[in-house]
Amino acid sequence: GAVVSQHPSWVICKSGTSVKIECRSLDFQATTMFWYRQFPKQSLMLMATSNEGSKATYEQGVEKDKFLINHASLTLSTLTVTSAHPEDSSFYICSANSRETGELFFGEGSRLTVL
Amino acid sequence: KQEVTQIPAALSVPEGENLVLNCSFTDSAIYNLQWFRQDPGKGLTSLLLIQSSQREQTSGRLNASLDKSSGRSTLYIAASQPGDSATYLCAPNTGGFKTIFGAGTRLFVKA
Repeated sequence: GAVVSQHPSWVICKSGTSVKIECRSLDFQATTMFWYRQFPKQSLMLMATSNEGSKATYEQGVEKDKFLINHASLTLSTLTVTSAHPEDSSFYICSANSRETGELFFGEGSRLTVL
Repeated sequence: KQEVTQIPAALSVPEGENLVLNCSFTDSAIYNLQWFRQDPGKGLTSLLLIQSSQREQTSGRLNASLDKSSGRSTLYIAASQPGDSATYLCAPNTGGFKTIFGAGTRLFVKA
């Protein structure tokens, strides 16, 4: 099946710094990628839809200036958590959909811990 | 706004049992529906994809059915194994491939 690679798988940073997470579709082109956030023992919450070559569409309540999304190519989307604070600590997961079938494929997730 | 409910929230069974996981969703105007499994601290693995025009899909010991008009999907797991222990997520996909997830069913299969 299709593969989505996410990097880094885990990161620890100091409060106030910025962290970038990459999401790559390895064997297919993804015009649309999605970013989710997941707290322990909770379901995934859609943060934003990342569209290649255009601005991301953010879900209600998600700060677009804090969670910067860039989708510069058909295989790469990045999420930058700016001026991270401890409450931003979470598990972030990206996904991309196959244009042929609409099937969603997920990355392995990135665990962010802000000290 | 799409809302997804999964029942039961948690399930613990002995190895070998056949299982039924239920999913209901409020907006039946979906393009497709996927079932995923998530292991602790990991991303999601796609198990089955059912297009809106289909009634069911099968993969190995897994069978998923879809009743789009009533907003229901069911995942059957035959002859459960300890390796099936995970959280199972139902995800109906509405316009723009915007997928909303249920809270999942946490399954534990005892050896």
